[in-house]
Amino acid sequence: NAGVMQNPRHLVRRRGQEARLRCSPMKGHSHVYWYRQLPEEGLKFMVYLQKENIIDESGMPKERFSAEFPKEGPSILRIQQVVRGDSAAYFCASSSGVATTDTQYFGPGTRLTVL
Amino acid sequence: AQSVTQLDSHVSVSEGTPVLLRCNYSSSYSPSLFWYVQHPNKGLQLLLKYTSAATLVKGINGFEAEFKKSETSFHLTKPSAHMSDAAEYFCVVSDRNGGSNYKLTFGKGTLLTVNP
Repeated sequence: NAGVMQNPRHLVRRRGQEARLRCSPMKGHSHVYWYRQLPEEGLKFMVYLQKENIIDESGMPKERFSAEFPKEGPSILRIQQVVRGDSAAYFCASSSGVATTDTQYFGPGTRLTVL
Repeated sequence: AQSVTQLDSHVSVSEGTPVLLRCNYSSSYSPSLFWYVQHPNKGLQLLLKYTSAATLVKGINGFEAEFKKSETSFHLTKPSAHMSDAAEYFCVVSDRNGGSNYKLTFGKGTLLTVNP
């Protein structure tokens, strides 16, 4: 059973470009979460999605960031007009449910560098 | 609101000696507590979790942690360190009854170095 897949693993963008990060959850998981890890910091919750629905985006910056989890295909985290402060590791996690016993399984992360 | 404090940013031990990684938490509700490990350039792997059953939780690779409500602590221990344990360790909390128990709050991490 493949784990959570993320691609690309490394992404370099220039200021003002768009970054698209992809996440394929574990087989059978319909709950997806995105977290951001800034240098020297722990991971911070960004958004929780189910298929075709954003459940909680309380951790997402209000501008330039968006996320989706379509009926078919991976979840996408999109950052428009990137700035240097967006440089971070972005982790995706998935779970089979949201009960306290449901574990979130994490992908390897995408490391975004903005030049 | 919930928060986690990992008391040491870096711990260095010799192979074969005990490991202690300290974690204190704050939670408005009954917490779920986790320890995740991150090896270089890898994803986070769950070591163990506490969700209200036994207060002493055993995890993978010989790690265990004890939930102490009176001390608001969830320290991670291992009797004998192995070279392969060298990694970054994150203590994590979520509020079990707060309606958003999916929202994990991470500590800043403790980097464990194991010396031969």
